[in-house]
Amino acid sequence: DGGITQSPKYLFRKEGQNVTLSCEQNLNHDAMYWYRQDPGQGLRLIYYSQIVNDFQKGDIAEGYSVSREKKESFPLTVTSAQKNPTAFYLCASSIGDTQEQYFGPGTRLTVT
Amino acid sequence: GQNIDQPTEMTATEGAIVQINCTYQTSGFNGLFWYQQHAGEAPTFLSYNVLDGLEEKGRFSSFLSRSKGYSYLLLKELQMKDSASYLCAPLDSNYQLIWGAGTKLIIKP
Repeated sequence: DGGITQSPKYLFRKEGQNVTLSCEQNLNHDAMYWYRQDPGQGLRLIYYSQIVNDFQKGDIAEGYSVSREKKESFPLTVTSAQKNPTAFYLCASSIGDTQEQYFGPGTRLTVT
Repeated sequence: GQNIDQPTEMTATEGAIVQINCTYQTSGFNGLFWYQQHAGEAPTFLSYNVLDGLEEKGRFSSFLSRSKGYSYLLLKELQMKDSASYLCAPLDSNYQLIWGAGTKLIIKP
């Protein structure tokens, strides 16, 4: 079955710790994206990658970092520099710019 | 700036028809997507319009008017499982999706 997986579904961390959220896809999609969703708000783009070993900052990249060493994988690290890290994080992939994005199930991160 | 405007919440009755409107202002335009998102879950693709007019797909239809910066999603024969948020997302000149906050649709029996 082709799809996108994110793990874990729920993640709890103490303030000051870095945490890495995984995202894997076996759809053979070139483009991958990380979004953050807060209650009552639209999805906000953190980082995106259109090709292996290349990625661009989205609207809210500060406090986050990514890597794209393999086509299938696009992990997101939430660093201690991110002031309000508690949120629902969604990873997505697409064949190209004008194609629909397929989303993973999301990771709900809580930092206390 | 870029802006998406959708009603925050709508209520409809099972079996009825509902229209969810979206107006947008973006830097350039390369089409508009509608997604459905059930509470606590990921968005799933519903439709994509790039030309003016109505696209029908089963119980769901989506309309676009580029000159008016306006789109709507029409849901027919509403079912309880249609209770969800509906996200309007135009694609700007950089091929980035600009996401609205979504319309929460509540279906009552």
